[in-house]
Amino acid sequence: QQQVKQSPQSLIVQKGGISIINCAYENTAFDYFPWYQQFPGKGPALLIAIRPDVSEKKEGRFTISFNKSAKQFSLHIMDSQPGDSATYFCAAIEGLKAAGNKLTFGGGTRVLVKP
Amino acid sequence: KAGVTQTPRYLIKTRGQQVTLSCSPISGHRSVSWYQQTPGQGLQFLFEYFSETQRNKGNFPGRFSGRQFSNSRSEMNVSTLELGDSALYLCASSPLTRGMDNEQFFGPGTRLTVL
Repeated sequence: QQQVKQSPQSLIVQKGGISIINCAYENTAFDYFPWYQQFPGKGPALLIAIRPDVSEKKEGRFTISFNKSAKQFSLHIMDSQPGDSATYFCAAIEGLKAAGNKLTFGGGTRVLVKP
Repeated sequence: KAGVTQTPRYLIKTRGQQVTLSCSPISGHRSVSWYQQTPGQGLQFLFEYFSETQRNKGNFPGRFSGRQFSNSRSEMNVSTLELGDSALYLCASSPLTRGMDNEQFFGPGTRLTVL
């Protein structure tokens, strides 16, 4: 059972364009939603995270939008740069209700930014 | 501060063998989690250790086991290897075992190939 569904699997965007990645979850116990960026040969690295009591969070060129009623959240990469070419994973965690660091990941989106 | 280190980085084994992977967390981090990454199943949680105690366990067979030492270093063991165990095994460390706002730092992973 895939608890976090991520789309698209891959996308190509021109330099300066906007990359949009969408995720949907089923488990209402999830209460913390981080996004990870992974480059080839490296482990995932935390990019940005959001709590469900916030509808939007922006850090630099990266913005998370969160829709609690729809159980959906998305990552927008503004002014995409070739250095943003990587695989992006959304994730969810039961942060408050349960002790533990168990991350449930989406399937990943491979982003290619063309110069 | 040194990051999470994993050894070895690459490993080739044959079916039926067993393997032990090692993870050294960031200094001061007491929580260590293990994940399996494959093209087909994505990133899946294996287990988490905190202060030498297993706190969470994913949905993997008993052939997968782990432990944590008093210095927070962790090992995971896979016995009776199967072809499907070929994967990138990632270790993540964090200061606490509470998920929200508790960033997990991933190592570069150990690439295991089972022939």
